[in-house]
Formats: sequence, structure tokens, C-alpha cells
Amino acid sequence: DTEVTQTPKHLVMGMTNKKSLKCEQHMGHRAMYWYKQKAKKPPELMFVYSYEKLSINESVPSRFSPECPNSSLLNLHLHALQPEDSALYLCASRPTGSSYNEQFFGPGTRLTVL
Amino acid sequence: AQSVTQLDSHVSVSEGTPVLLRCNYSSSYSPSLFWYVQHPNKGLQLLLKYTSAATLVKGINGFEAEFKKSETSFHLTKPSAHMSDAAEYFCVNSGYSTLTFGKGTMLLVSP
Repeated sequence: DTEVTQTPKHLVMGMTNKKSLKCEQHMGHRAMYWYKQKAKKPPELMFVYSYEKLSINESVPSRFSPECPNSSLLNLHLHALQPEDSALYLCASRPTGSSYNEQFFGPGTRLTVL
Repeated sequence: AQSVTQLDSHVSVSEGTPVLLRCNYSSSYSPSLFWYVQHPNKGLQLLLKYTSAATLVKGINGFEAEFKKSETSFHLTKPSAHMSDAAEYFCVNSGYSTLTFGKGTMLLVSP
């Protein structure tokens, strides 16, 4: 299995809802990432997990809560989001020990906050 | 510190003509450079990566890039554009665990 999967593909939620995004990879990568991407912009880093521990939090608001329950799974819990949080949320993984640091991206979850 | 500058926000070509997408980098050490492609409403796909083993790097779908240290450039080329090449292309410089993205170049391919 050489891909990163993300569910759901699309999500519409109200500002009072609680929802979660899921990301999974079975390539044995021990570094996993969440990015936010607005239209016509490059991805912006949100969180980095290394060996299931949060190593980077790019000052993301607390309404976004990441979780890494095991080495294959990464979640992003969403609560009380704002309309400006509508974006494509991308997950990526990276093989630790690689010299070149390439990341493998999932297809993303398109989030719309009403 | 590292940075990436993509010199064109949009490039328009006709199908069958060559493609050139320009990227300049800045890095305080030997860079790890990548080109990623993103089709509409899709994730990012790795096109190719510079590994320092060779300055001319071949990637998927007929793309290649040449690393020129003297010019701090890593331009992406393809001899003949196909309609399916229409997408956003990102030049990326990699640090130890994070990526620095260029602003992207939208490639438009007309029949």
C-alpha cells in the first residue's frame, strides 16, 4: 500500500458542529502532517507528528485539535469552526530516515463551514 | 533559512509545445528540491526530486528538471505539453522535517 487516504472527501458543517477528519497510511512512515490549503494558494502547515508525538503546532487555533492514536492514523477534530476555516485539508506522511524528506500527500478533505 | 520563488504565476502553452516552469531557490545548505503537481480538487503528487546524484532529474509523465547551483535554479520542463498537464505546479524546498512551498504556477494548456 503506497498511498495516503483521507476521509471524508467532502464535509459541510455548521459553526456549532463537532466533526473529525481522518488520515491513514500503511507505508510505515513515522512523520505525519496536517495542512490547510485555500484556493489558489500553497498548502500551509498546521501540525506535525513525529513518532506519534506532536512536534510542531503552527499556532493553530484551539478549535482544531489533532490526534495521532497510532503510527498509521492521524485525526483532526473540529469544533466551533468559522466560515473562514473553509478550505482543502491535506494530510501527508514522510518516511523517517530518508535523506530527501519528500512528503506523500492524500487527496484532501474539502471542508465547508456554514 | 530557505526559500523558493516561482517566477510565473501563470504559464499558457498550446498542446504539443514545450513547457518551462521557472523556480529559483535559496538555501543555506545543500538543498532538497521537489516539484509537486496538483490537479483541481486533488492532493499533491510528487513529480520529481533533486537528490544531488545528478543535476538533470527525470520525473513522471515526461517532466524533467535541471539543478543549476550557479544560477540557484531548478526549472521544470517538458518537451511536449498534453491537455492533461493543465494543473498547479509547486516548487518546494525541504528542510529537515518541513517543506517550503513556492506560490505555485498555474499551467494552462490550450488545444
